[in-house]
Amino acid sequence: KNQVEQSPQSLIILEGKNCTLQCNYTVSPFSNLRWYKQDTGRGPVSLTIMTFSENTKSNGRYTATLDADTKQSSLHITASQLSDSASYICVVTLTGGGNKLTFGTGTQLKVEL
Amino acid sequence: GAVVSQHPSWVICKSGTSVKIECRSLDFQATTMFWYRQFPKQSLMLMATSNEGSKATYEQGVEKDKFLINHASLTLSTLTVTSAHPEDSSFYICSASRGTSNQPQHFGDGTRLSIL
Repeated sequence: KNQVEQSPQSLIILEGKNCTLQCNYTVSPFSNLRWYKQDTGRGPVSLTIMTFSENTKSNGRYTATLDADTKQSSLHITASQLSDSASYICVVTLTGGGNKLTFGTGTQLKVEL
Repeated sequence: GAVVSQHPSWVICKSGTSVKIECRSLDFQATTMFWYRQFPKQSLMLMATSNEGSKATYEQGVEKDKFLINHASLTLSTLTVTSAHPEDSSFYICSASRGTSNQPQHFGDGTRLSIL
């Protein structure tokens, strides 16, 4: 069983709409949790990073939340744009894990006109 | 800042050929570099971790003689796929970090490897 589960697996929304992506993790203890955006055929790009003591972090139209008690994180995208179409990956870093990352299964987002 | 360049971005070659992929940190010193493999619609899978000046640490199931990793300097790591076969066709991505758990990994743009 994957230690970082994401939902939904895929999502289609209309341009301008908001959406929220979910991430549940069992990795423990963790150093930080990051959300990455990966365009097709490109490497992942970091959107947000949160330590276990942070509840929310924003980066432009992206807002990530973290509930360390329930081990859940979400990524909210506001006023979606066509360029937001990509795979969004939740990634957890283990404490003392030598900076190894545990990747989520990803959510494939498609924004349409 | 924190730019990682990967080269080549795309390579097609015949079965049996050895292919070298380079990963460079352009504006910072990367004490640790990571090599990942990604199949279509799947997440990144860590292949190996390399620290500058020492041997790479391979994940379980990854053949070290098949995937040769060299991290000779603080800005360059190379992955050589030896005697490549069609099943080695994949998207290979490197990342680089300054080393500690609090330092983010910065990813290259990947190399699409197709073995005919």
